[in-house]
Amino acid sequence: GQQVMQIPQYQHVQEGEDFTTYCNSSTTLSNIQWYKQRPGGHPVFLIQLVKSGEVKKQKRLTFQFGEAKKNSSLHITATQTTDVGTYFCAGGKNQFYFGTGTSLTVIP
Amino acid sequence: DGGITQSPKYLFRKEGQNVTLSCEQNLNHDAMYWYRQDPGQGLRLIYYSQIVNDFQKGDIAEGYSVSREKKESFPLTVTSAQKNPTAFYLCASRERGGNTEAFFGQGTRLTVV
Repeated sequence: GQQVMQIPQYQHVQEGEDFTTYCNSSTTLSNIQWYKQRPGGHPVFLIQLVKSGEVKKQKRLTFQFGEAKKNSSLHITATQTTDVGTYFCAGGKNQFYFGTGTSLTVIP
Repeated sequence: DGGITQSPKYLFRKEGQNVTLSCEQNLNHDAMYWYRQDPGQGLRLIYYSQIVNDFQKGDIAEGYSVSREKKESFPLTVTSAQKNPTAFYLCASRERGGNTEAFFGQGTRLTVV
């Protein structure tokens, strides 16, 4: 099946540092979505990117969709303790695949 | 309130027993999905359904079965053939077409002893 890999698998940062997670798909995606899962919780939708090269911002979060529509990134500026959780990218029209996730720990 | 409900939140079963996990949504979504999540790992697709009375296998369907007799319901049965069933199971739904956000249930943590 489709492979969606994310790096890094884990990231520990000091509060105030920036954080980036990268998502790579084995196939071209029609769109890509990002989700956040808090510890002990379930994934919650953050954003969807559709166009090649698209960039979207949500406060301190910046999302990019690659030109070839096979990769994406999520960048958080000046992390806060509330950013703790696992961030997943996801794609696929019928078979809805999730990436392997990046677990973010923010050290106060 | 509209949403997607999974029950129970925690489930314990003895090895060799089949167990059915419930997933109900009142969002009027056509597409529904079951995922398995192991500690520190991503979500792996078990089964998905795009419409009532139709469903397809995901990457790890062996040892699991589903039904989709009603639009609102997509129960997952973990059979005794599943070699390592202890995991966190998540159900999701969204509109058909692949261009909308998915909503997740709270999950069921299954422990087989």
